[in-house]
Amino acid sequence: AQKVTQAQTEISVVEKEDVTLDCVYETRDTTYYLFWYKQPPSGELVFLIRRNSFDEQNEISGRYSWNFQKSTSSFNFTITASQVVDSAVYFCALSEALNTGTASKLTFGTGTRLQVTL
Amino acid sequence: EPEVTQTPSHQVTQMGQEVILRCVPISNHLYFYWYRQILGQKVEFLVSFYNNEISEKSEIFDDQFSVERPDGSNFTLKIRSTKLEDSAMYFCASREGLNSNQPQHFGDGTRLSIL
Repeated sequence: AQKVTQAQTEISVVEKEDVTLDCVYETRDTTYYLFWYKQPPSGELVFLIRRNSFDEQNEISGRYSWNFQKSTSSFNFTITASQVVDSAVYFCALSEALNTGTASKLTFGTGTRLQVTL
Repeated sequence: EPEVTQTPSHQVTQMGQEVILRCVPISNHLYFYWYRQILGQKVEFLVSFYNNEISEKSEIFDDQFSVERPDGSNFTLKIRSTKLEDSAMYFCASREGLNSNQPQHFGDGTRLSIL
């Protein structure tokens, strides 16, 4: 069974601070995929980033970066120079790499509410 | 950019009534999903659909739930006899192809309120 844990329930930062959102996952699969989604106050779910389990290279995309460490089963997400518009709930999610033709589901964490203030 | 569209945005229904939530996935996508999010909680998987049949369903998706793709574009979730605990935000999602690493794209959700 898959499980995603986001231990931080809520984080509050002042604009321009860097913030890291933690995600720890459990899976028996050797190949899997990890995602971060953002849910702003308007309620929609917005895809942000994904990472394959066989690629541990960490990347930066604009103000977003992520740190994937397979040894500790962690997939942390950092926002650099946070802005008020970053205020949202952020969900980490895990998907198995199933056989072709199988619609693998996403298992979500409980989310971290990020509040960025002026 | 193509997007998943869901209607209605808010549905208010009396307990025991049937409700149908509608979704139009992105046109070239092959995989379709329903998730729900009870207020303030995490997003939970309900069902996945591929090649005109259910691929997987969760424990939540009991006999009161059904899904259909009645034509080439719509994907519906029906709840036959709604209960108070069905009140939640329901998200439809679709995914393009065969690789699980492709992201699921979500609609804006339908807020279902059972009275």
